[in-house]
Amino acid sequence: QKEVEQNSGPLSVPEGAIASLNCTYSDRGSQSFFWYRQYSGKSPELIMFIYSNGDKEDGRFTAQLNKASQYVSLLIRDSQPSDSATYLCAVNKGRDSGGSNYKLTFGKGTLLTVNP
Amino acid sequence: GAVVSQHPSRVICKSGTSVKIECRSLDFQATTMFWYRQFPKQSLMLMATSNEGSKATYEQGVEKDKFLINHASLTLSTLTVTSAHPEDSSFYICSALGDKGSGWDTEAFFGQGTRLTVV
Repeated sequence: QKEVEQNSGPLSVPEGAIASLNCTYSDRGSQSFFWYRQYSGKSPELIMFIYSNGDKEDGRFTAQLNKASQYVSLLIRDSQPSDSATYLCAVNKGRDSGGSNYKLTFGKGTLLTVNP
Repeated sequence: GAVVSQHPSRVICKSGTSVKIECRSLDFQATTMFWYRQFPKQSLMLMATSNEGSKATYEQGVEKDKFLINHASLTLSTLTVTSAHPEDSSFYICSALGDKGSGWDTEAFFGQGTRLTVV
């Protein structure tokens, strides 16, 4: 079983719709979870991170975490063509740099296309 | 603005030569820096973790004599690809993390990446 799994897509949604991106992880000891957006040929940029079970909202983005199910998702409301990119889920064993626990494991990413 | 600067953004070199990539943290002291490699349509794979003033910790399967990492200061880490070959062509990305309690310790900030092409 891969450490971090994502549906590779491509996921195609119309402009204005909700895009739902999913991620599962294998290490139950993981404590922090990150969603990155990566445009083609560019470096990843952080969208948001989440530590606690439940939802965390930031603008049009909502991250959802369920540690019991080892599942984290990202919802993008009112999707825009500019949201078209690859979305990477990353999992970390620690919550900060203390204790040398910081080591991100990335999924392969889901390619999202938002059609005008 | 960018808090981590990576240079160069793109480099082409001949097979057998060495290439150095720099990663600088601009706004904070990066006690830990990470080097990743990403092949087309693949995810980021961690190559090594470096802590200022100490030897880098390499991931399994990464040749430490081929990928030399130096983290000589709290704001600069370098990756040197020695005796590069076409199969080393990839997108190399660094990220930097501050010390615990510094306010820069919960999120590693990524550089812009370096596209290496070995011909």
